[in-house]
Amino acid sequence: GQSLEQPSEVTAVEGAIVQINCTYQTSGFYGLSWYQQHDGGAPTFLSYNALDGLEETGRFSSFLSRSDSYGYLLLQELQMKDSASYFCAVINNQAGTALIFGKGTTLSVSS
Amino acid sequence: DTGVSQDPRHKITKRGQNVTFRCDPISEHNRLYWYRQTLGQGPEFLTYFQNEAQLEKSRLLSDRFSAERPKGSFSTLEIQRTEQGDSAMYLCASSPGTGGRYNEQFFGPGTRLTVL
Repeated sequence: GQSLEQPSEVTAVEGAIVQINCTYQTSGFYGLSWYQQHDGGAPTFLSYNALDGLEETGRFSSFLSRSDSYGYLLLQELQMKDSASYFCAVINNQAGTALIFGKGTTLSVSS
Repeated sequence: DTGVSQDPRHKITKRGQNVTFRCDPISEHNRLYWYRQTLGQGPEFLTYFQNEAQLEKSRLLSDRFSAERPKGSFSTLEIQRTEQGDSAMYLCASSPGTGGRYNEQFFGPGTRLTVL
């Protein structure tokens, strides 16, 4: 089967740093994406890793280790608006088509 | 760039009825995807179009579900003989397919279906 595992909930305070881990087991692997979804909203793209290493985009960074089938999303200088669900998603074919999503991590940021 | 739009935003129907949803992708995007999302879960892939061709369909998609993208622009998703288990948010996404952001999918606001 295909599965992605990530923590169901994470809590933190404003200004803190959090790391959301994702481990995956899929029939194919071409890249790992991260999406953010606020309550009642649509998922929005945050980052994509196809190769091992760290990708940085502003306050958010994403890491991938293909040999460990593992990645993480790092959120720095947390703000209240970062409270949302975060999904890791695997692109499992060369065409880069369907995304296989994890169940999501709910991040709650308090003041 | 007006983003991906979906219509209707909400649909309430009785079990056994047919429903149809529409998705208008970002105009220059040739790839279009349908997903289904239930509470507390991540989006689940249903089907994918490149231009007007339906190239991939989830094995989870029953025969009651059909999707079209007749001119490679907007797409429709029809569910026949709806069941209570079909209640979910139906999300449409599009992507350019080429270029530096080919792997980024842009999601619409979704259509929330409630089957009574």
